[in-house]
This record gives sequence, structure tokens and C-alpha cells, in this order.
Amino acid sequence: DQQVKQNSPSLSVQEGRISILNCDYTNSMFDYFLWYKKYPAEGPTFLISISSIKDKNEDGRFTVFLNKSAKHLSLHIVPSQPGDSAVYFCAARVGSEKLVFGKGTKLTVNP
Amino acid sequence: DADVTQTPRNRITKTGKRIMLECSQTKGHDRMYWYRQDPGLGLRLIYYSFDVKDINKGEISDGYSVSRQAQAKFSLSLESAIPNQTALYFCATSDSSFRETQYFGPGTRLLVL
Repeated sequence: DQQVKQNSPSLSVQEGRISILNCDYTNSMFDYFLWYKKYPAEGPTFLISISSIKDKNEDGRFTVFLNKSAKHLSLHIVPSQPGDSAVYFCAARVGSEKLVFGKGTKLTVNP
Repeated sequence: DADVTQTPRNRITKTGKRIMLECSQTKGHDRMYWYRQDPGLGLRLIYYSFDVKDINKGEISDGYSVSRQAQAKFSLSLESAIPNQTALYFCATSDSSFRETQYFGPGTRLLVL
């Protein structure tokens, strides 16, 4: 049973436009959510996170939105840059337990 | 220097061989993890350890074993490698705080022939 779902395997956007990556989850006990970014030949790196007590967290060009009633979170990148091209993983956790990852979405930002 | 290192970075082996992948960290974290990444399947947890005396199976532990030799070292072994264990393997570490994030190593690309 997949608790964290990223239903779009890939996304392509133009440079300067907004990228929206989506993530759905099934476990209502999740209380902390993270996004990781992965370039080829490198390990994933932490990008941004949000606690379940918030509905938005912003860090520069990156904003994560959490809709608990819909069990949905999204990552917005504005404006998108070619260097943002990577695989993005959504992850979630209950308390201090281990993370559960989605399958990832490959973002391509075209110049 | 990298906080989380993995050796080897690339490995080709044959079916039936025993191999070990090693992970070391300098972040002082208690928690360490082994994941594998396959195309279209994301990151799947193999084993994890919350401290030196704690070892737990993840979602895909069959065919793998681990050893936590010290707080900073966590090794993954394939006792008898098979071709469907061909994948990219990542080690990660974290502390135990609520807002902890995992820090990943650069990965080991394993090919089992």
C-alpha cells in the first residue's frame, strides 16, 4: 500500500514559468512533510519541509502548500530555472519515525 | 569533505557473489538508513538503524543484511547477489529531532550480471 503518491512521473515547463509538483498521501497520522531534489549521479538533497500545523512554507523560489483535508501537498517553483531540472521526491513522516517516500517526479525546465 | 560517504561508487559483480557496500558519516547522527532506487519505483527502504544496537528491516530487506559497526558506520551486504538487485543504493543519516531531515550519500551503482 503506497502511503505517499506522486502520480505524475514527469513534468516539463518553460524557463521562467511556474512548476507545480503534486503529492498525495493516505496516512492521516503524517505530521511532517519534506521535498527532496535529486540530480543524476548524486544523492537526494533536502529542499523544503512543512509541519502539519502549517499550510504554507516558503523559501525563496520554493513554496510548499499543505491541504490536510485533501491529504495533498504541492511544491511550487517560481520562476523555474533550467538548473531546477531534477527528480523531486515527496516524503512524509509520523513523529520521529522513518520517512516514507513517493516515487518521484522528473522535472524538466526548458530554456 | 563529504558528510556521508559511500564505497564503492560503482560495482559490477556476478550472480551468487557476496558483496558489501559501506557507508560512513561525519555528522554525528544516530540514525542511518539504506535505500535502493529503481527507475519508476522511487526510494525504497532496505534497512535502518536508530542507534548502534538497533537494526530494523525496511520494506525490501529480503536478500540483504546490515551491520552497524559504530555510530558512524553502516554496511549493507548482499549475501548472494542476483540480477534484480541491480540498482542505485543510497545511504542516509539523520538525527532524532522532530524536524530532522535525512542526509544522503552520493550513491553506489551496482550491476549484478
